[in-house]
Amino acid sequence: NAGVTQTPKFQVLKTGQSMTLQCAQDMNHEYMSWYRQDPGMGLRLIHYSVGAGITDQGEVPNGYNVSRSTTEDFPLRLLSAAPSQTSVYFCASGRGGVQPQHFGDGTRLSIL
Amino acid sequence: QQQVKQSPQSLIVQKGGISIINCAYENTAFDYFPWYQQFPGKGPALLIAIRPDVSEKKEGRFTISFNKSAKQFSLHIMDSQPGDSATYFCAAIGYAGGTSYGKLTFGQGTILTVHP
Repeated sequence: NAGVTQTPKFQVLKTGQSMTLQCAQDMNHEYMSWYRQDPGMGLRLIHYSVGAGITDQGEVPNGYNVSRSTTEDFPLRLLSAAPSQTSVYFCASGRGGVQPQHFGDGTRLSIL
Repeated sequence: QQQVKQSPQSLIVQKGGISIINCAYENTAFDYFPWYQQFPGKGPALLIAIRPDVSEKKEGRFTISFNKSAKQFSLHIMDSQPGDSATYFCAAIGYAGGTSYGKLTFGQGTILTVHP
């Protein structure tokens, strides 16, 4: 039982490049979400999904795309990387509502 | 717009002391308040949580105090230990209209250092 697995753990990109951050969970959770963590700002919600085929925007969605084709996977796509997207990205999953959410260990992304 | 404000940004406590972290919220639709603990290089992990119909919840050395009228809540860590050194986040979830479905709004975080 691996929980929430994020890959890669570290990535350096050049401005304008695109990439996909991967997130997979093996707990059959309906709810999955992506957050970014920046110093002094806590974690902010980017996108979330309440089930396969259903996604919605969070607080800071601009520059990011998501899709949810399976219950297990919830990839986050950066279409054209910008230095402002340098951050630590966390994926989380849970059963929704007030049930605990389980976080992965993050992807540390630097954009030059 | 920071809907959950957390203080202090950093906190240094001696071993055996009490660590206190405070949070205030604005949105009265919030009705579930979890605290997360994060160690370096790791994701946040749920520590303890409270509903607003309860004024206090205790789990071991960790206690949440909740003041609904003041829209404030706090985490108390009794007998703080060096192993408690981590970043702590308060958070809130609201379900007004049933649309929030677990979306967490986090505070800014508090870096706690417990000296031996």
